[in-house]
Amino acid sequence: QVQLVQSGSELKKPGASVKVSCKTSGYIFTKYAVNWVRQAPGQGLEWLGWINTETGDPMYAQGFRGRFVVSLDTSVSTAYLQINNLKAEDTAVYYCARETAEVATPPFDYWGQGTLVTVSS
Amino acid sequence: SYVVTQEPSVSVAPGQTARITCGGVNIESKSVHWYQQKSGQAPVLVVNDDSDRPSGIPERFGGSNSGNTATLTISRVEAGDEADYYCQVWHTDTDLYVVFGGGTKLTVL
Repeated sequence: QVQLVQSGSELKKPGASVKVSCKTSGYIFTKYAVNWVRQAPGQGLEWLGWINTETGDPMYAQGFRGRFVVSLDTSVSTAYLQINNLKAEDTAVYYCARETAEVATPPFDYWGQGTLVTVSS
Repeated sequence: SYVVTQEPSVSVAPGQTARITCGGVNIESKSVHWYQQKSGQAPVLVVNDDSDRPSGIPERFGGSNSGNTATLTISRVEAGDEADYYCQVWHTDTDLYVVFGGGTKLTVL
């Protein structure tokens, strides 16, 4: 069965970096793009961007260009989200989500369980 | 940028029908996807492409999309349907990007 399993919660100080992993299984990794979604405490869903798992090309939403880096390791079917120079406002749950394949404007059919990143001095 | 608007809350008695809307300019030209998020859990896709149900989603969940409003309809509402619901579209200007609605809290009275 399809699974996306994310790394555990992180507590970081402002200015530090964090790398969240999203390990996938149950399907061919390179056939489905992976998206990243953020949810601040008590807030709604916010899309960060996505990565083409076949080419490795990322695309970022406005507001997430610069400090946010999405990458892959296809050998272990895992996507990563790295956030550099962390700020208190980055405190949120970060989700990875798989796109349905072969559709121009796909939904996200499988999600990771979420990773809480807390930024506090 | 493209904006989609949802009502913050909807309340409905068990057994009744809940309707949650997602407003956007000419949203009928887009495919609208809906997610259910229960407290402390990851979102779950409940309706895709305006009105299709993924495998395992009850027939009580349906959707429509016309003009400037897409609607998620939940028939015969149950206590277990209490959750936040988000609509999602893709929009293109210089790039193709994802837009989520602000979410609607469904309360089952």
